[in-house]
Amino acid sequence: GENVGLHLPTLSVQEGDNSIINCAYSNSASDYFIWYKQESGKGPQFIIDIRSNMDKRQGQRVTVLLNKTVKHLSLQIAATQPGDSAVYFCASRGGKLIFGQGTELSVKP
Amino acid sequence: SQTIHQWPATLVQPVGSPLSLECTVEGTSNPNLYWYRQAAGRGLQLLFYSVGIGQISSEVPQNLSASRPQDRQFILSSKKLLLSDSGFYLCAWNAGAGALDTQYFGPGTRLTVL
Repeated sequence: GENVGLHLPTLSVQEGDNSIINCAYSNSASDYFIWYKQESGKGPQFIIDIRSNMDKRQGQRVTVLLNKTVKHLSLQIAATQPGDSAVYFCASRGGKLIFGQGTELSVKP
Repeated sequence: SQTIHQWPATLVQPVGSPLSLECTVEGTSNPNLYWYRQAAGRGLQLLFYSVGIGQISSEVPQNLSASRPQDRQFILSSKKLLLSDSGFYLCAWNAGAGALDTQYFGPGTRLTVL
């Protein structure tokens, strides 16, 4: 069946470094992708999205890259801060929205 | 702007008791509404979604049910809770008319069944 997976369940980075969180999807018909951030005890918060007609999209300190050839997307966070510590989910739409399992990002001061 | 509310924020219930969780959305009309459960493993499991009043689609057969009595109100219920119903319940919405774009989540309800 269709699934969305993340390469690493946890990621630890030093404050100020850049973070890269990866995600793979299986449905080649997926046309829309979203990254969410979920802090402990809270609902997921929309970060950034990208449509399949784009390869890259930038927001404030975040960049999403999409490689449709290998069905992979990544979230890059520049100058990671302690407030970035959270679980990050990717989601892909190929009919319905499918969520990945999440990567927990820990930022070391 | 649109906001989504869920209550209660936390709930502790005994096995076999009933459940009613409520979700309301403000600032939009005819939204699609969703109920998810998030277990300790962090993944989001879609339970129900609704594209309109009285229209409920179930994704996972279980002892839970959902209802949409009003356009912007979505209710998750159970007649008898099981231990396995414990988890973090999230309500989400997105634009209606069949759109499957960005879903926006509520703050969640932490349910513990003892």
